[in-house]
Amino acid sequence: SQQGEEDPQALSIQEGENATMNCSYKTSINNLQWYRQNSGRGLVHLILIRSNEREKHSGRLRVTLDTSKKSSSLLITASRAADTASYFCATDAGNNRLAFGKGNQVVVIP
Amino acid sequence: EAQVTQNPRYLITVTGKKLTVTCSQNMNHEYMSWYRQDPGLGLRQIYYSMNVEVTDKGDVPEGYKVSRKEKRNFPLILESPSPNQTSLYFCASSFRGEKLFFGSGTQLSVL
Repeated sequence: SQQGEEDPQALSIQEGENATMNCSYKTSINNLQWYRQNSGRGLVHLILIRSNEREKHSGRLRVTLDTSKKSSSLLITASRAADTASYFCATDAGNNRLAFGKGNQVVVIP
Repeated sequence: EAQVTQNPRYLITVTGKKLTVTCSQNMNHEYMSWYRQDPGLGLRQIYYSMNVEVTDKGDVPEGYKVSRKEKRNFPLILESPSPNQTSLYFCASSFRGEKLFFGSGTQLSVL
């Protein structure tokens, strides 16, 4: 079932700026994952954060998780034109059914 | 190269004509899944499989069938396609359902 909801749903920024997007969910989770999709192609896994973790880094990506508020944020620092994509959060409630949000379109202007 | 291979990439068909979209992975993953992506609706899970001969319904299984006779293959079958099944389809695989690897997608149009 659809669970993650990204916010904002569309974001336009200048190259070099930081991009922040949020994801809210409704039920308890084992982990939350972020994926990137370029122009109708297959999704690519970016980062996974477990329910007992609060923050995780991977290169220019920083993910936070607040289980009390049932929300997560993805920060992309020093954005590049190549970061232009749709970003999805996905929640794993432990039932083998990874539930994806509707996605967040990010446009980085060179 | 580790990958999930879907075929075909594009498919146009007519209502009622049975079709199969193939999916194969070379990573020895136990978990495989099919999703459809529609504008404004995100990705919705159709079916998933935890291992060979084990399949389960996702959120939108109506009108679809799957089989998992071998670990590497997980075909999606539309016995009698209808226009509301026009969509972008993705196959994905992983160990234990974490960190999914996606195929390149199949754009299906049912006329």
